[in-house]
Amino acid sequence: AQSVAQPEDQVNVAEGNPLTVKCTYSVSGNPYLFWYVQYPNRGLQFLLKYITGDNLVKGSYGFEAEFNKSQTSFHLKKPSALVSDSALYFCAVREIQAGTALIFGKGTTLSVSS
Amino acid sequence: GAVVSQHPSRVICKSGTSVKIECRSLDFQATTMFWYRQFPKQSLMLMATSNEGSKATYEQGVEKDKFLINHASLTLSTLTVTSAHPEDSSFYICSARVSDGQNSPLHFGNGTRLTVT
Repeated sequence: AQSVAQPEDQVNVAEGNPLTVKCTYSVSGNPYLFWYVQYPNRGLQFLLKYITGDNLVKGSYGFEAEFNKSQTSFHLKKPSALVSDSALYFCAVREIQAGTALIFGKGTTLSVSS
Repeated sequence: GAVVSQHPSRVICKSGTSVKIECRSLDFQATTMFWYRQFPKQSLMLMATSNEGSKATYEQGVEKDKFLINHASLTLSTLTVTSAHPEDSSFYICSARVSDGQNSPLHFGNGTRLTVT
């Protein structure tokens, strides 16, 4: 069975500092991994994905994530946080078979202070 | 591109009535759409997978007679909450993937906030 763990309910960083939002996963076979961001009362916006290839994936708004197969992790990172990055972030995984839905982590609230 | 439109964004209904939520892929075709439910400060829980032209596949614990899903075309899926009760109050989000995009991400609607009084 697929599962995703986001061990932190909340991450607090100061503007301009680097940020990391952690994610680990469990899936049989090779995973497809995703990060989404959600603003209040809105749907999810796609940030980035890992399918295959380079372990370091670059996405929208300056975010990147590193796939680490041995640690089954896919942490989201940004070198310099902005106040506008404050939102709820979800890590998600799915199996490679076509048509399978995403399984989401519980989400991590990122709070960036000025 | 790849925009998913969900309507309505917010609905308040009385207990016992039914509510229909529409999910449309505006600029792509989606043979499969997914319906999620999100409780306050919680993750998205997959309710069902909607397949165009066939019956939806429901996750364990989701009542298919209560949450009716119809995927009549490649661009429209609807979720009808029948005989709504206050405990059905939640945030419902639909999503879709481009039909030929096995590797492509899910695109999400903006969600529907359902409040049952």
